[in-house]
Amino acid sequence: GESVGLHLPTLSVQEGDNSIINCAYSNSASDYFIWYKQESGKGPQFIIDIRSNMDKRQGQRVTVLLNKTVKHLSLQIAATQPGDSAVYFCAEILANAGGTSYGKLTFGQGTILTVHP
Amino acid sequence: DTGVSQNPRHKITKRGQNVTFRCDPISEHNRLYWYRQTLGQGPEFLTYFQNEAQLEKSRLLSDRFSAERPKGSFSTLEIQRTEQGDSAMYLCASSFRNTGELFFGEGSRLTVL
Repeated sequence: GESVGLHLPTLSVQEGDNSIINCAYSNSASDYFIWYKQESGKGPQFIIDIRSNMDKRQGQRVTVLLNKTVKHLSLQIAATQPGDSAVYFCAEILANAGGTSYGKLTFGQGTILTVHP
Repeated sequence: DTGVSQNPRHKITKRGQNVTFRCDPISEHNRLYWYRQTLGQGPEFLTYFQNEAQLEKSRLLSDRFSAERPKGSFSTLEIQRTEQGDSAMYLCASSFRNTGELFFGEGSRLTVL
């Protein structure tokens, strides 16, 4: 079936650098995308979301970019800190399906981000 | 602590035994979700409740799995006749609004020997 996937399974950066985590999705009908962060031994934590009528959305130190033409999603983290070390997942939902819960997410495989002091 | 609480955090059982996990969502959240996560993979949706009504179930949820949320507050996930393939982290999440912003608990890790 259709799924969400990631280009890079691991990413290693130095503290203070900017990080870019990429995600490819294959379901062209998906219209809502979310990034989650999961630290070791914890449940996923919501970072930021974006709807398909947008191509960019900014949060605190994070920016999500959506390129629907090539079905690509990215998460940019500015001034990466050691506390950003975690696994990052992109997730999608087919929000146009009538009655579907927006919490019924399809997660990708994840990218491990390691930040070196 | 006002976050999502899951119990037990760890469960080791022998194949064929039944196990039950409990989830206490954030109190004002009427939506509750169960997900399953295996090592190195993203969480997979299992089922969703709005208040006490179970509105969606994944095909992953075989007949051996049952989830309840009898009073629209806490929820239980029972697995009968466990198999080794059931070994995973079972995550519960809750939300107040119909968005993708879910609040996850720390999960219940199941190991089936």
